[in-house]
Amino acid sequence: DAGITQSPRHKVTETGTPVTLRCHQTENHRYMYWYRQDPGHGLRLIHYSYGVKDTDKGEVSDGYSVSRSKTEDFLLTLESATSSQTSVYFCAISDLDREETQYFGPGTRLLVL
Amino acid sequence: LAKTTQPISMDSYEGQEVNITCSHNNIATNDYITWYQQFPSQGPRFIIQGYKTKVTNEVASLFIPADRKSSTLSLPRVSLSDTAVYYCLVGDLQTGANNLFFGTGTRLTVIP
Repeated sequence: DAGITQSPRHKVTETGTPVTLRCHQTENHRYMYWYRQDPGHGLRLIHYSYGVKDTDKGEVSDGYSVSRSKTEDFLLTLESATSSQTSVYFCAISDLDREETQYFGPGTRLLVL
Repeated sequence: LAKTTQPISMDSYEGQEVNITCSHNNIATNDYITWYQQFPSQGPRFIIQGYKTKVTNEVASLFIPADRKSSTLSLPRVSLSDTAVYYCLVGDLQTGANNLFFGTGTRLTVIP
């Protein structure tokens, strides 16, 4: 399996508080992605990065920001969490110079009360 | 955005071959067809990818007709451990991740 870790794996927070999720990879892949998964919606792209300090919005980016200051880390921040952001968040990586596939992390389960 | 349509669920008995078909009528010239498998409480896992005709690996086969408007994932002799959700994706990551659409997948249940 690709070397991808996500932290924390579970988090409970209150509405209005900031939350930061971390994705860490040891594969030195250039591309990193954040998805959320909700019942009835499959996986939806939040943001992605195509290099250090290079990011772009996905389908459901409102209420989220990201940062990538080094190749191995991609941070997802909820500036002021809302109950609608209760979800399972998955990080993924890809090395598009070699293959057209994504490798996913184990996920972070976030509950916003 | 090349969206896909696949059955919501399927049941199969152990030992049978399972074929899951995905429709993608507006597939673009540069798009690949990729299938992922997801177990509960885990991230999706890459199974197979193809562009045209047939691709086979140690896990599955992927059949793609000449018009590429559909594809079929074939799992030979399924076991209980193949119970999972299977996603068909069509797109070209090189043009941007917004090009991909996961959908809700097909929930395969393997029955003893």
